[in-house]
Amino acid sequence: GIQVEQSPPDLILQEGANSTLRCNFSDSVNNLQWFHQNPWGQLINLFYIPSGTKQNGRLSATTVATERYSLLYISSSQTTDSGVYFCAVDPETSGSRLTFGEGTQLTVNP
Amino acid sequence: GAGVSQSPRYKVAKRGQDVALRCDPISGHVSLFWYQQALGQGPEFLTYFQNEAQLDKSGLPSDRFFAERPEGSVSTLKIQRTQQEDSAVYLCASSFTHRRNSPLHFGNGTRLTVT
Repeated sequence: GIQVEQSPPDLILQEGANSTLRCNFSDSVNNLQWFHQNPWGQLINLFYIPSGTKQNGRLSATTVATERYSLLYISSSQTTDSGVYFCAVDPETSGSRLTFGEGTQLTVNP
Repeated sequence: GAGVSQSPRYKVAKRGQDVALRCDPISGHVSLFWYQQALGQGPEFLTYFQNEAQLDKSGLPSDRFFAERPEGSVSTLKIQRTQQEDSAVYLCASSFTHRRNSPLHFGNGTRLTVT
């Protein structure tokens, strides 16, 4: 099946810093989503972004489908950004199932 | 309700017991998914419903796992003869349509511990 690799696995920032999280995937996809899992376990959908660039406040994401990677940018980080960020993809040949990466654990210190 | 509701929030079962986990999706959502999340890992797909039809159950790890959504709304994931390796958080998600760009809304999950 499709492989999803996220980097870095762990990231510690001071409040106000910027960061870039990366997601590499091994096959063509027609669905790519970024999620944030807060410390209480709630998964929140951030972006649906199989290609191109989107922005939502301090967050933005870019997917280069031809090169099989996606980037999530967090600017001016806040303590509430802490948690695990997951990239999830749906390969072209499959139905409606998402394959998740192992996530990036982000800690933002005050 | 406003979001996806799962119950119970926590479940402790002795090995060999049967358990039933409930998911109330957002009203009107067509698609419903079950995922299993082990500690420190990303969620793994179990099964997918479109209304009452179970269109994909390829992620169910064994025939001890069974899911249903008889009226196209509430879903139940049943695990028979639980084993220690079944310990995980079970997440339910729903989306408004079957289209891939329809955002997934996750519940808070049920944490199952098998002793």
